[in-house]
Amino acid sequence: KAGVTQTPRYLIKTRGQQVTLSCSPISGHRSVSWYQQTPGQGLQFLFEYFSETQRNKGNFPGRFSGRQFSNSRSEMNVSTLELGDSALYLCASSFGLAGGRTDTQYFGPGTRLTVL
Amino acid sequence: QKEVEQDPGPLSVPEGAIVSLNCTYSNSAFQYFMWYRQYSRKGPELLMYTYSSGNKEDGRFTAQVDKSSKYISLFIRDSQPSDSATYLCAMSEIFYNAGNNRKLIWGLGTSLAVNP
Repeated sequence: KAGVTQTPRYLIKTRGQQVTLSCSPISGHRSVSWYQQTPGQGLQFLFEYFSETQRNKGNFPGRFSGRQFSNSRSEMNVSTLELGDSALYLCASSFGLAGGRTDTQYFGPGTRLTVL
Repeated sequence: QKEVEQDPGPLSVPEGAIVSLNCTYSNSAFQYFMWYRQYSRKGPELLMYTYSSGNKEDGRFTAQVDKSSKYISLFIRDSQPSDSATYLCAMSEIFYNAGNNRKLIWGLGTSLAVNP
């Protein structure tokens, strides 16, 4: 079974620009979560989408936004890029089970964003 | 002080050694504990998932939770060069599933190198 794919794998942008990252989940998974990973802060949760709706949101500014399509693919957008946005952006997919049921999330390889 | 502390390493051991990886935490309400492995240029993958205190074994891996000391460990027996990766701990107060990603707190990771 194909894993989570993310495109592009590497991206270089300059301050003030915007960027769109894409994530294709594992077939059958309806939940897609996005994370930012940096050496100093580790993994930080951005948001989670389930059935095209944002279900959860982390503590990031409004410059970070996302959406999910009917085929569960998701995009993340960062507007007005800042130097501090340089990071590895990971997406993870899962079935999206609620309540007290185990729901393992599977991560993609990430998109390495460098802001100059 | 971060809620979850993890020694970044790097930790370098010879093949066949027993490896001990650790995390300490400050929130006594954490009940669910996870260990992830992240290879270079890959996303994290779930290794072990434990609830409350005690040990859990899976092949060469043993996860141990000591809630009285607020300390969790991952032991790797007969370590192999293929175990070379960054190991991340993550924990949560509530039952973990995708809908609760916002509540998952991550360590920064420990880099492990197993030398042949």
